[in-house]
Amino acid sequence: GAVVSQHPSWVICKSGTSVKIECRSLDFQATTMFWYRQFPKQSLMLMATSNEGSKATYEQGVEKDKFLINHASLTLSTLTVTSAHPEDSSFYICSARDRRWTSTEAFFGQGTRLTVV
Amino acid sequence: DAKTTQPPSMDCAEGRAANLPCNHSTISGNEYVYWYRQIHSQGPQYIIHGLKNNETNEMASLIITEDRKSSTLILPHATLRDTAVYYCIVRLNTNAGKSTFGDGTTLTVKP
Repeated sequence: GAVVSQHPSWVICKSGTSVKIECRSLDFQATTMFWYRQFPKQSLMLMATSNEGSKATYEQGVEKDKFLINHASLTLSTLTVTSAHPEDSSFYICSARDRRWTSTEAFFGQGTRLTVV
Repeated sequence: DAKTTQPPSMDCAEGRAANLPCNHSTISGNEYVYWYRQIHSQGPQYIIHGLKNNETNEMASLIITEDRKSSTLILPHATLRDTAVYYCIVRLNTNAGKSTFGDGTTLTVKP
């Protein structure tokens, strides 16, 4: 199946700093990517939908100025957590949908574990 | 997306079939049933999906009731590596990637 890669797999940062997480589709082009967040012992929550060449669409309650999303190419979307605080510590997961098909499965990355100290 | 209900946890003996149920009584006519699993500290993995017919692939079988209000994921010969959280999701197939995850079922395969 198609491969979606996230980088880094884990990151520790100091409170107040910004962290960038990359999501790449390795063997397909994705016009749409999705960002999820998962707190310990909880399910995945959709944060935003990232569209290539346009602004991301954020779910209710997600601060767009805190979670900056850039989808500058058909194979890369980035999520930047700005001014991170300990409560932003979470597992961030992206998924990408192949642009060639209209009704297909999206593929998930392996996730990025963010710890803010 | 229609809401789904799954048991919070299940155990299964290694080598036996694991049958994971899901209720989706409010499913609409054009919504599909998708199953994913998430092994600890990894991203979700697609397993199988279906509309109304039963489906089978190399990983599992999906049985959907005639009224489509419930379904069962069957892992025919569970192994220890199948221990994971299994999510049943109901959505339009055009919304690939944009899924509403419930709490899922934690399946523990025991030796």
